[in-house]
Amino acid sequence: DAKTTQPPSMDCAEGRAANLPCNHSTISGNEYVYWYRQIHSQGPQYIIHGLKNNETNEMASLIITEDRKSSTLILPHATLRDTAVYYCIALLYNFNKFYFGSGTKLNVKP
Amino acid sequence: GAVVSQHPSWVICKSGTSVKIECRSLDFQATTMFWYRQFPKQSLMLMATSNEGSKATYEQGVEKDKFLINHASLTLSTLTVTSAHPEDSSFYICSARGRSGVETQYFGPGTRLLVL
Repeated sequence: DAKTTQPPSMDCAEGRAANLPCNHSTISGNEYVYWYRQIHSQGPQYIIHGLKNNETNEMASLIITEDRKSSTLILPHATLRDTAVYYCIALLYNFNKFYFGSGTKLNVKP
Repeated sequence: GAVVSQHPSWVICKSGTSVKIECRSLDFQATTMFWYRQFPKQSLMLMATSNEGSKATYEQGVEKDKFLINHASLTLSTLTVTSAHPEDSSFYICSARGRSGVETQYFGPGTRLLVL
């Protein structure tokens, strides 16, 4: 699986968009980018995934650069409940294992 | 999204006893389940992968005789921590993956184990 790099922490004002970057410069053509988040003392929660096109769902948007070497998760209107550690993972389409990196601790402030 | 449950959510036990943690996929059939461990302020560490009806495969450094995994059905996997010691105290999380398509892993809420 491609290694991913994320900033250790970010702050965001409540109501503003949170843009969380992820670098995956060694990603291969058939590796997907997945985003999960973990709110304190809970299991990780699936957010979104994509291959090369931008994706949007009710939680977030995923913007993948054309060369696929990086991506950005966008929470359009962050709330205090979005405070969590966000993990970006790159892996093959039907490959089993997730190896979690350190993630980005997003602090949403009032 | 799909729902995965774990039981118990909390367990406290004495050193030397064994503890069993259940992981269930409630609304889908999980061909593969995974077990993770998370220590305070650290990321999740994959312990093992279990496929229904076959033996689990363990990550390097994880003792298979200490962490017994059984995946007897498409909706249930169990992790048994045998002869638990204080250093086994951790947050144990399972996840489940379904059968077809671009499958996402869905995670359980976790089980916090404290060994005294």
